[in-house]
Amino acid sequence: EMQLVESGGGLVQPGGSLRLSCATSGLKFSTCWMNWIRQAPGKGLEWVTNINYDGSQEYYVDSVKGRFTISRDNAESSFYLEMNNLRVEDTAVYYCAGSGYCSSWGQGTLVTVSS
Amino acid sequence: QAVVTQEPSLTVSPGGTVTLTCGSSTGAVTSGHHPYWFQQKPGQAPKTLIYDTNNKHSWTPARFSGSLLGGKAALTLSGAQPEDEAEYYCLVSYSGVGVVFGGGTKLTVL
Repeated sequence: EMQLVESGGGLVQPGGSLRLSCATSGLKFSTCWMNWIRQAPGKGLEWVTNINYDGSQEYYVDSVKGRFTISRDNAESSFYLEMNNLRVEDTAVYYCAGSGYCSSWGQGTLVTVSS
Repeated sequence: QAVVTQEPSLTVSPGGTVTLTCGSSTGAVTSGHHPYWFQQKPGQAPKTLIYDTNNKHSWTPARFSGSLLGGKAALTLSGAQPEDEAEYYCLVSYSGVGVVFGGGTKLTVL
């Protein structure tokens, strides 16, 4: 059974930083593209970023380019989202999810950006 | 950035059939866009129903199927159940650019 567990969310002031982690099990992690997806309160899903199998390719939604960085550790079957210069509009539940046959989701972690 | 469009809401009768669609502002959705379909119930994380146009996971009920229809990705529910009432999102991948979600379709089983 594929499992993904996010951690690292919390309350942060505008301009602050957070690092989200996603620990996975039950999937062939090193063969999967992995994603971070967010959902603002009462809104739809927004894809944030993804990373390919070995970390050599990364893509970002325009609104986070230059502020967020995705990375992965295949030895640990985990991947990460470094978020800097956070804005109020980044407030959302952040989900980690795989692609293709790895497309299971975590339960999400809440990031609140507020002064 | 591309815009992905879905019907805002649809209603289906119990036991009935309904098709949800997913279009792209850039033109026809093809298998090269690797469309996905997700189900989200209130207070829960989304769940992937369909990936890469028409592939199901082990947890995907057989009554759900994915296809391409008239230049759009499509999710067909045949034999709707009360538990299928949910928000459904599609996703389209744009090579070398990234991924875009549709705005979601609220499906009512009534």
